[in-house]
Amino acid sequence: GEDVEQSLFLSVREGDSSVINCTYTDSSSTYLYWYKQEPGAGLQLLTYIFSNMDMKQDQRLTVLLNKKDKHLSLRIADTQTGDSAIYFCAEVSGGGADGLTFGKGTHLIIQP
Amino acid sequence: NAGVTQTPKFQVLKTGQSMTLQCAQDMNHEYMSWYRQDPGMGLRLIHYSVGAGITDQGEVPNGYNVSRSTTEDFPLRLLSAAPSQTSVYFCASSTDSGYGYTFGSGTRLTVV
Repeated sequence: GEDVEQSLFLSVREGDSSVINCTYTDSSSTYLYWYKQEPGAGLQLLTYIFSNMDMKQDQRLTVLLNKKDKHLSLRIADTQTGDSAIYFCAEVSGGGADGLTFGKGTHLIIQP
Repeated sequence: NAGVTQTPKFQVLKTGQSMTLQCAQDMNHEYMSWYRQDPGMGLRLIHYSVGAGITDQGEVPNGYNVSRSTTEDFPLRLLSAAPSQTSVYFCASSTDSGYGYTFGSGTRLTVV
């Protein structure tokens, strides 16, 4: 079956860039997403990338997709304390009818 | 624009009790799905629906029933609650291209 893998923790200093990595196995993925979850809250869609794109930039966020290696990354520039959260990578395959497959989430820890 | 609305936000059940988690969306989305989130497990798909009258099982369907009588509503039923069903439940909806899954704020369920 489909699988999405992420490292569980990432610690960065405030002001540095954070890079959260994700690998997936489904070669038919059409959309890949990054969701942010703050403690006790729901999931907030941060950004997405369509499978025929290599890169997408949105203000402080840069998504890179290496389809050959099935590797997705999220770079957050100038990381702030408000970026402290769990970041989930998720993928949709085919027409997206059968829902999202999530990674287990990466806890981003910001050091002052 | 309410988006995806889940009720209740919190619920405590005794083992063996039944209940229905409600999910409603006002975006005229065809696709709806239910996930459960457990610590260290990410989000796992329980059931999904591609339109009114059509439902199917996800990764962890046992102990849960769903129905989709209207486009707007997708309730999740626990017929006989078990402690293993203690979790946070999220409902999501999407257009029929799989783009832009929107999540509700979640229901935190405890079964004692």
